[in-house]
Amino acid sequence: QKEVEQNSGPLSVPEGAIASLNCTYSDRGSQSFFWYRQYSGKSPELIMFIYSNGDKEDGRFTAQLNKASQYVSLLIRDSQPSDSATYLCAVNMEGGYNKLIFGAGTRLAVHP
Amino acid sequence: SQTIHQWPATLVQPVGSPLSLECTVEGTSNPNLYWYRQAAGRGLQLLFYSVGIGQISSEVPQNLSASRPQDRQFILSSKKLLLSDSGFYLCAWRGGRYNEQFFGPGTRLTVL
Repeated sequence: QKEVEQNSGPLSVPEGAIASLNCTYSDRGSQSFFWYRQYSGKSPELIMFIYSNGDKEDGRFTAQLNKASQYVSLLIRDSQPSDSATYLCAVNMEGGYNKLIFGAGTRLAVHP
Repeated sequence: SQTIHQWPATLVQPVGSPLSLECTVEGTSNPNLYWYRQAAGRGLQLLFYSVGIGQISSEVPQNLSASRPQDRQFILSSKKLLLSDSGFYLCAWRGGRYNEQFFGPGTRLTVL
């Protein structure tokens, strides 16, 4: 069964620090990788996606992908209390219909 | 721009009662649509997806069903709810070049 694994946390970081969130996946054929942020009681919001090996930066967020190691990560620089949320990693399954497999999420707590 | 609507926002239903949740998408045509369920503290589980009117694929066996009577309408139903059907139900549509999925606001269902 194809899986996406994340550390459930909570990951606690001080304000201004770098938060590092990690995700591993089992399907070697996966091509697209997504990070969603979900505030408590709300629906997931897409914040980053990456499809090539290496880094992709968008503001304070950097997604990193290593397909050989089947590993994707999200770095949040200058973490703010408003970044406190659950971060879901999602992987596009090889094959049709663009189905995503989600990890269970990592809860991030940024304390002042 | 595209928007996705879900209703109701919250629902409390007794065991054995029927269910109908609705999702509509605006600003796009012939979208791929998805129903997910998120149990408390868990990741997202894909329930159904649809690539067009009348086309439904089921991912997991359960007492739920889905229908797509119109291009931009996706309905999740049950004839008799179980306690285990409680959860946060999310509808999503696929957009973008890299198969990104975007979520509606969700329906929180509690079965008592």
